[in-house]
Amino acid sequence: GAVVSQHPSWVICKSGTSVKIECRSLDFQATTMFWYRQFPKQSLMLMATSNEGSKATYEQGVEKDKFLINHASLTLSTLTVTSAHPEDSSFYICSYAPGQGAWGNQPQHFGDGTRLSIL
Amino acid sequence: AQSVTQLDSHVSVSEGTPVLLRCNYSSSYSPSLFWYVQHPNKGLQLLLKYTSAATLVKGINGFEAEFKKSETSFHLTKPSAHMSDAAEYFCVVSAPGYNNNDMRFGAGTRLTVKP
Repeated sequence: GAVVSQHPSWVICKSGTSVKIECRSLDFQATTMFWYRQFPKQSLMLMATSNEGSKATYEQGVEKDKFLINHASLTLSTLTVTSAHPEDSSFYICSYAPGQGAWGNQPQHFGDGTRLSIL
Repeated sequence: AQSVTQLDSHVSVSEGTPVLLRCNYSSSYSPSLFWYVQHPNKGLQLLLKYTSAATLVKGINGFEAEFKKSETSFHLTKPSAHMSDAAEYFCVVSAPGYNNNDMRFGAGTRLTVKP
């Protein structure tokens, strides 16, 4: 089945550091990828939709200058948390929906997530 | 607009007993419905999906779910729980189309399996 590779799985860094998270689709060309944030014991919250070759679409309340998304190829999307602070500590998960057209019928394939801890 | 409600935040069962995780949905469209499982510090794994075909859907690891339009429900069941089933489960509703804003995640149900 489809595989999504997300790296790193754990990051611990000092406040003020910028952190880049990579999400790769290993066997599909993903024109669209999604980035989610998950707080402890809570559901996933969609942060943004990453579109290959164009600007990402951010959900309301998500700072696009804080969470930079780049989707330069059909197999790679990156999320950079700029000048991270302790309140940015969370579990970040990427996913993609294979194929185009009526993808609402298709399940998303998720990465294993990145645990980000800002000291 | 769509929404999904997982009726129980936590379900605890004994190993070998049946599992029932409840999900109700609201959708303006003919929805697609999914159940995902998440183990600690992991991403989500698809258990099963309903996309307007058979109303009783069989998934992986012995799980199944039944789409009941009259009750707007999509409950997840398993005849006999295994210790490895302990995890967080998410019910997701989606509508056909390109707009991911139509996809909604439930709040999740934590399943505990007692020996």
